[in-house]
Amino acid sequence: GAGVSQSPSNKVTEKGKDVELRCDPISGHTALYWYRQSLGQGLEFLIYFQGNSAPDKSGLPSDRFSAERTGGSVSTLTIQRTQQEDSAVYLCASSQDMNTEAFFGQGTRLTVV
Amino acid sequence: AQSVTQLGSHVSVSEGALVLLRCNYSSSVPPYLFWYVQYPNQGLQLLLKYTSAATLVKGINGFEAEFKKSETSFHLTKPSAHMSDAAEYFCAVSLTGGGNKLTFGTGTQLKVEL
Repeated sequence: GAGVSQSPSNKVTEKGKDVELRCDPISGHTALYWYRQSLGQGLEFLIYFQGNSAPDKSGLPSDRFSAERTGGSVSTLTIQRTQQEDSAVYLCASSQDMNTEAFFGQGTRLTVV
Repeated sequence: AQSVTQLGSHVSVSEGALVLLRCNYSSSVPPYLFWYVQYPNQGLQLLLKYTSAATLVKGINGFEAEFKKSETSFHLTKPSAHMSDAAEYFCAVSLTGGGNKLTFGTGTQLKVEL
């Protein structure tokens, strides 16, 4: 596609429920990143995928968070047993490789009530 | 560890005036430095990045930034503000030139007044 696409754009969920956030990167981009933007913490790195290598999960805040990237393209970020502090905008980005410009999607705004 | 400090969470300028957004960094190794802009309900867009090739970096929309190692600064400037520049600006630091493990500052909201 023309840019990084994220869905849904908005998600409201009840505390304790699981959610899945989807990211479609720019075609041909081998690197994919997830970031979180919240009022309390600002912009935080979550996870990085590069080609077929094992992902760098060092930014995931707890074991309730996980992500996968199928076929080197679409990625899904899953949050289990959501908590109110998970409320944030989740941004996905992709780049041709780890050294080139990252293009960001518009984000998914997650609200946990 | 790396960190970025942006001085001034809100900056207001008149249209046509100089824009100066401040960023200071801390890094144990030569860093890659970035400025991103975020318009309301949009993702982040890269304005420019420093990769050690030149200390004065020119970006999109007339913005530029100068890397000053002695001051550990990477301030963003634009000679003449335009109404369309109103947005939030983020300085970031990383060990790579792409999007991995960017450490962002807290952002500066730029307001442009007539």
